[in-house]
Amino acid sequence: QLQLQQSGPGLVKPSETLSLNCSVSGGSISSSNHFWGWIRQPPGKELEWIGNFYYSGDAYYNPSLKSRVTISVDMSKSQFSLRLDSVTAADTALYFCAGGGYASGSYESWGQGALVTVSS
Amino acid sequence: DIQMTQSPSSLSASLGDRVTIICRASQNIDKFLNWYQQKPGKAPKVLIYAASTLQSGTPSRFSGSGSGTEFTLTISSLQPEDFATYFCQQSFTTALFTFGPGTKVDIK
Repeated sequence: QLQLQQSGPGLVKPSETLSLNCSVSGGSISSSNHFWGWIRQPPGKELEWIGNFYYSGDAYYNPSLKSRVTISVDMSKSQFSLRLDSVTAADTALYFCAGGGYASGSYESWGQGALVTVSS
Repeated sequence: DIQMTQSPSSLSASLGDRVTIICRASQNIDKFLNWYQQKPGKAPKVLIYAASTLQSGTPSRFSGSGSGTEFTLTISSLQPEDFATYFCQQSFTTALFTFGPGTKVDIK
């Protein structure tokens, strides 16, 4: 059973970069059985898919965020990361990392979530 | 882009009630549809994947059906721990996942 642990700052200034990490345990981050994703949820609102990173090395992003977002994997640290540039107050949200299963196509394991507030 | 809608957006039900939530996709997604349960302040938890397959650990009172553009999540007998928000999510397109807006189930 995969376990995901998120880390990163809870407060980011407008126009700066949001960076979050997700450490994976209980399984291999380099496994071809899994893909890695980020999802966010503004307070009181619905879930918004940010993007996924696949074993092939391909990454796919929500078109609404594509110009500002990067998801990367560091296999040596068994962690994957989210970078979101030029943030505004609209990026304030609860951010989740998640591990998906190729067989199911679903996010089977989730991080605990991290509230990131964009404010000066 | 594939858009997902859910109905109703919220419902009130009593313990033991049968509850049905509908999820519709804007185009054919075959059976690439997953259902999640989320409680306040917590991460979602997958209940059903591929439209009708129960994730390990999901109680048997939950069931899913459908294919193409219309899908259903049914709770056969609502239990206290089932009061939560339920989201559908399509994984038909690897390059672009989308979630439904959610259905909040609360106590009547």
